[in-house]
Amino acid sequence: NAGVIQTPRHKVTGKGQEATLWCEPISGHSAVFWYRQTIVQGLEFLTYFRNQAPIDDSGMPKERFSAQMPNQSHSTLKIQSTQPQDSAVYLCASSLPDYAEQFFGPGTRLTVL
Amino acid sequence: GEQVEQRPPHLSVPEGDSAVIICTYTDSATAYFYWYKQEPGAGLQLLMSVFSNVDRKEEQGLTVLLNKKDKQLSLNLTAAHPGDSAVYFCAVSSNTGGADRLTFGKGTQLIIQP
Repeated sequence: NAGVIQTPRHKVTGKGQEATLWCEPISGHSAVFWYRQTIVQGLEFLTYFRNQAPIDDSGMPKERFSAQMPNQSHSTLKIQSTQPQDSAVYLCASSLPDYAEQFFGPGTRLTVL
Repeated sequence: GEQVEQRPPHLSVPEGDSAVIICTYTDSATAYFYWYKQEPGAGLQLLMSVFSNVDRKEEQGLTVLLNKKDKQLSLNLTAAHPGDSAVYFCAVSSNTGGADRLTFGKGTQLIIQP
C-alpha cells in the first residue's frame, strides 16, 4: 500500500496567484481530511469528505479556499489569490469511514512570495 | 470547541532514559485519543490510538495512559534512543461513530542525546 500521496511536495507561488494541491487517499479509504500546519498556529483542521461528499468545512477560510473530491481516488485543495499568510504545510489524511484512525500524507509545503 | 494543551514544548533526555509527554483536553465527550510522530520534512506517523474505554496501552516501548477524570493523556517512551528524536503530537476526536476531525496539541520537540 503506497500510503496517502500528496503532490506537489513543494510549491512556490507569487502573491495573487492560484495554487492547487492534490491528495490521493489510501485505496479503500473513503474519508479524506485536509489540515494546515504552521509554526504559529500548529495543526489546524480545514475540511473533510466522506464518500466524496463534503461533511465539515468549518475550518476553511471563507474566502479564496475551496476543496473538492470529484472521485474516490483524489481530492484537491485550491487557494485563489494566494497571500503570504497562506504559506504553510498542507496535510491530507485518509481513513476508513467507520474507523477513526487517520493516516497522513507527507504534506505539500506552500510558499507564497 | 475542544482544546488540547500539550507539554512540555521541548524535551531533551539522555539515550536510555524515559521521556514523558502530557496532554490535557477539555471536552468530556472526547472518545478517541492518538499520538503521532513527525520527523523533519515528513507527514505525521500514527504511533498509537486509544479509545476512551482503555486506561493504559503499551506497544513497542511506548505506554499511553488515559485519565478521564482529569482529562489527561500521556505518552511515555521508555529506553529512548536517538531514532526517537522528532516532534510528537497528541490528537483527540469526539465522534464515536468513526471518522471525524482531529484536534491537535501544539507538539513536543523531543531530542535524545546520544
